[in-house]
Amino acid sequence: GAGVSQSPSNKVTEKGKDVELRCDPISGHTALYWYRQSLGQGLEFLIYFQGNSAPDKSGLPSDRFSAERTGGSVSTLTIQRTQQEDSAVYLCASSLDPTFYGYTFGSGTRLTVV
Amino acid sequence: KQEVTQIPAALSVPEGENLVLNCSFTDSAIYNLQWFRQDPGKGLTSLLLIQSSQREQTSGRLNASLDKSSGRSTLYIAASQPGDSATYLCAVRGTGANNLFFGTGTRLTVIP
Repeated sequence: GAGVSQSPSNKVTEKGKDVELRCDPISGHTALYWYRQSLGQGLEFLIYFQGNSAPDKSGLPSDRFSAERTGGSVSTLTIQRTQQEDSAVYLCASSLDPTFYGYTFGSGTRLTVV
Repeated sequence: KQEVTQIPAALSVPEGENLVLNCSFTDSAIYNLQWFRQDPGKGLTSLLLIQSSQREQTSGRLNASLDKSSGRSTLYIAASQPGDSATYLCAVRGTGANNLFFGTGTRLTVIP
């Protein structure tokens, strides 16, 4: 596609449930990032994928968070046993080569845990 | 660790004014710096990307400059319009890290 696509755009879930957020990067982009933006806060790095290399998971806030990227394309961020503090906008970005081309962001998934 | 600061945090100007947004960063070892805008409830839209070897980039009414040695970047918006109202974020791509370091953002309001 022409841009980074994220789904769903909005998700309301009950505390304790698991959720999956999806990101379709721009075709051919080897780098993919997940960020989280809580209300009124800055962007918080979560995880980074680059090609077939092992992902950089250093930003994941707890072991309830995990992400995978299948076939070097689509990525899924999974949050298990959601808690209210997980409520945020989850943003995905991709890049052909972040050293030279910068990043393209998706529109985000707004997650609300009730 | 890289720290990115944006001043001011909020800015309100009348339509038609020229304005400057500031971004400073603590570690000059960067690959590039990118300016984004974010509308309420939306994702980030890339405005300009400046490589570490460049001094400035222009797109329409926007001009971004980069002084890597002093750790500063500015975003100049000419002839502001109400449609420019948004939060503007700068982000630096460090040479030793796998992610972007984002500033705290400047919330711009252009009054008709």
